[in-house]
Amino acid sequence: SQQGEEDPQALSIQEGENATMNCSYKTSINNLQWYRQNSGRGLVHLILIRSNEREKHSGRLRVTLDTSKKSSSLLITASRAADTASYFCATVLKHSGGYQKVTFGTGTKLQVIP
Amino acid sequence: SAVISQKPSRDICQRGTSLTIQCQVDSQVTMMFWYRQQPGQSLTLIATANQGSEATYESGFVIDKFPISRPNLTFSTLTVSNMSPEDSSIYLCSVEDHRTVRLAGGEGEQFFGPGTRLTVL
Repeated sequence: SQQGEEDPQALSIQEGENATMNCSYKTSINNLQWYRQNSGRGLVHLILIRSNEREKHSGRLRVTLDTSKKSSSLLITASRAADTASYFCATVLKHSGGYQKVTFGTGTKLQVIP
Repeated sequence: SAVISQKPSRDICQRGTSLTIQCQVDSQVTMMFWYRQQPGQSLTLIATANQGSEATYESGFVIDKFPISRPNLTFSTLTVSNMSPEDSSIYLCSVEDHRTVRLAGGEGEQFFGPGTRLTVL
């Protein structure tokens, strides 16, 4: 299995601080994606970084990818209470059937205290 | 983007019974995916459902326990059969953003339904 391991498992910060979550995985990938899940419900896609990219930004999000170390990080800057959620990295391999096979990491539970 | 709905949103069931979860997408998609998320855990892929063919199950999941139907390009069902308390989970269906994936060389985001929270007593 190439399920990603994320750390920390849980993170509690004050509003306005930055939050950093890390993801490590085991095998080669086509891309890596980060998702957010509120209150155990459906997931929302945050950002996708391809295997030939090293860094990507989207608003307050910054994602890095180091394929040599098989690791990625998600940085949320200037956190808000609304960022409180679980965050999952997901490694993606293209399946021989033409679709993407997505494998989720263990997740980081982020709490932002107002 | 794809909008996905699931029915029921939640259910409480007795041991030994079966529950069928429906997933409806607002656009035609080739592949649909079913995931399970046990309490406090990450998502695990159960199976991949391609319209017009048998679903492909991941290791640890079998068709007798989780039969899947895929009658058309916008709909799928997952049945959790002969339930036990260990089946208590959130079940989510998912699709690829087909157009983005095709245009981006096979890479794109997944869209997820809101999930079905199942509790088995």
